[in-house]
Amino acid sequence: RKEVEQDPGPFNVPEGATVAFNCTYSNSASQSFFWYRQDCRKEPKLLMSVYSSGNEDGRFTAQLNRASQYISLLIRDSKLSDSATYLCVVTGGYQKVTFGIGTKLQVIP
Amino acid sequence: NAGVTQTPKFQVLKTGQSMTLQCAQDMNHEYMSWYRQDPGMGLRLIHYSVGAGITDQGEVPNGYNVSRSTTEDFPLRLLSAAPSQTSVYFCASSYSAGPRGYEQYFGPGTRLTVT
Repeated sequence: RKEVEQDPGPFNVPEGATVAFNCTYSNSASQSFFWYRQDCRKEPKLLMSVYSSGNEDGRFTAQLNRASQYISLLIRDSKLSDSATYLCVVTGGYQKVTFGIGTKLQVIP
Repeated sequence: NAGVTQTPKFQVLKTGQSMTLQCAQDMNHEYMSWYRQDPGMGLRLIHYSVGAGITDQGEVPNGYNVSRSTTEDFPLRLLSAAPSQTSVYFCASSYSAGPRGYEQYFGPGTRLTVT
């Protein structure tokens, strides 16, 4: 089993739709969780950290479920500019950072 | 602030050649890392550093060396390039954000082709 698993997609959604991605992780001792966004042929950029209590940043909501070992990202009111690949990142200390392969989102006009 | 800078942006090497990928950050971050990104795989950690003079191996260190003589710079050396090292290389710097963990900031990447 991979340490971090994501559905690579692509997820094709119309503008204005709500879309959700999940990411599962295998190491129950994992400490920190993040979502990064990566545009085509660009570097990953931090989108948001993920907290146990869940957190929201505008149209984006992240959740962590430690019992089931998954994190999720919900995007409401999708914009064309949200089209990108979303990377799930799980860490167990600085030396143990594991990236998922990413989920590709394409928002269609 | 320039953030994290990497040079070169593109490089083509012949098998057996050596080269150094440069990485610099101006955010005074303690931690720096090198990753490679290949199609269908997540970013994989090559080497990392937790401070000047301290480096350690990541998941895929073979064929690469690093050093960290200053806080700002973290070069990656390919000792004898092989086609399997064709990849996109990202340098990242980070700090400990307490409960938020280590938030990483990436450079623009170097696209390396080994023929």
